[in-house]
Amino acid sequence: SYELTQPPSVSVSPGQTASITCSGDKLGDKYACWYQQRPGQSPVLVIYQDTKRPSGIPERFSGSNSGNTATLTISGTQAMDEADYYCQAWDSSVVFGGGTKLTVL
Amino acid sequence: EVQLAESGGGLVQPGGSLRLSCAASGFTFSDYWLSWVRQAPGKGLEWVANIKQDGSEKYYVDSVKGRFTISRDNAKNSLYLQMNSLRAEDTAVYYCARARYYFASGAWYFDYWGQGTLVTVSS
Repeated sequence: SYELTQPPSVSVSPGQTASITCSGDKLGDKYACWYQQRPGQSPVLVIYQDTKRPSGIPERFSGSNSGNTATLTISGTQAMDEADYYCQAWDSSVVFGGGTKLTVL
Repeated sequence: EVQLAESGGGLVQPGGSLRLSCAASGFTFSDYWLSWVRQAPGKGLEWVANIKQDGSEKYYVDSVKGRFTISRDNAKNSLYLQMNSLRAEDTAVYYCARARYYFASGAWYFDYWGQGTLVTVSS
C-alpha cells in the first residue's frame, strides 16, 4: 500500500519561514493536499491540488510537489499557525501522512 | 454555508454496534462523494470509507471491511456509518467529510469537515 512520510515535528521562530515535507514514491505524479488541525479542532484544508489555496486561507500558505516530495511552506509564520499538519494524496484510495507538529517559538 | 454535523458516538462494549449519522446542509448533497475519516486519541488521521454521489460505489479501509457499512440518504441530506463487531482499536473521533474527486487527474481532497463524534470501545 502507498505510504506518505512526514517529519514528526518542525520548529520555527515567529516571522520566519516553515517548511513541512511529505514524501512518497513518485508523489510528484499525484496531487497532494494539506490540512491544518489546531488542538481540539477539526482539520481544515489549506492547500489542494499541490498549490491551490481555498478561499479564506492566508497567502502565507503555499505548496509545491515534485519528484518524491510535496512541501507545505508557511511564510512569515505566526503563533496562530502552531498546529498539526497532514498531507494527503490519492493512490487507489485516500492516503494520509502521519502528521507534523509545527511549533512556533 | 456548508455544515456537517456528526452524531451517534458514545461508549460501546467490544463486539457491540453503533450507527453514526452526519447531517449536511448548505450545499447540494447529492452532487458530492462523502467520506468518514477517524482519528484515534493522540494519533493521526485515518481514512475509513467513501461513498459515491448515488451510493453505487463504496470503498473501505481494509481494517473495517466486513464490519462497517457506509450509506447515504440523499432525500434527507444524511450520511451514515453502521459499525458492527467493534474493537478497542476502533476507538476514535469519527469525522464526516465532503470530498472533491477528479477521476481524470486523480485529485482527491476533503474541503469540509464536521466537528467529529467520539466513539469509545471499552468494557
